[in-house]
Amino acid sequence: NAGVTQTPKFQVLKTGQSMTLQCAQDMNHNSMYWYRQDPGMGLRLIYYSASEGTTDKGEVPNGYNVSRLNKREFSLRLESAAPSQTSVYFCASRIGGSSNYEQYFGPGTRLTVT
Amino acid sequence: GENVEQHPSTLSVQEGDSAVIKCTYSDSASNYFPWYKQELGKRPQLIIDIRSNVGEKKDQRIAVTLNKTAKHFSLHITETQPEDSAVYFCAASTSGSARQLTFGSGTQLTVLP
Repeated sequence: NAGVTQTPKFQVLKTGQSMTLQCAQDMNHNSMYWYRQDPGMGLRLIYYSASEGTTDKGEVPNGYNVSRLNKREFSLRLESAAPSQTSVYFCASRIGGSSNYEQYFGPGTRLTVT
Repeated sequence: GENVEQHPSTLSVQEGDSAVIKCTYSDSASNYFPWYKQELGKRPQLIIDIRSNVGEKKDQRIAVTLNKTAKHFSLHITETQPEDSAVYFCAASTSGSARQLTFGSGTQLTVLP
């Protein structure tokens, strides 16, 4: 049981390049989330998917798109990277429903945009 | 939307002393309050959480208290140890199918031996 996995671990992009961050979970969770973490600012929600087939904007969605490919996978796409998107990106998942609210985080992707 | 403020941003304590981190939230509809610990270069991990129908919850050396009227909640760590050194984040969540979290800005706790 690998939990939440993310690829790649590290990435360097030039301004204007595009890339997709991959996230997968093997816990049969319904809800998945993408956060970015910047120094001194905690984690901020970019997009989330309450269940397979749905996606919604979070606090900081500009410059990003997401795809909930199936129940296991939730990808984050940067169409035209900007230096302001330099950050650590975390994916998380939650089983869903009203009994357990804990979110489980992946190991993160450290992205640098030059 | 929800706004969560966390204080202090840094906290140093002597080993064996207690540490307290405080958070306030703005949305009175928030009803779930987790605390995450993040070690350097690692992912955040849940250490304790509380729901709005409970005023206090304890797990060994860690406790969380919630004051719904004042809209603030606190993390208490007793008998601190060097391995407690990390960044701690509070968060708040309202009801809804996704239960998205709004995080505080974090507290760097350093336990001095």
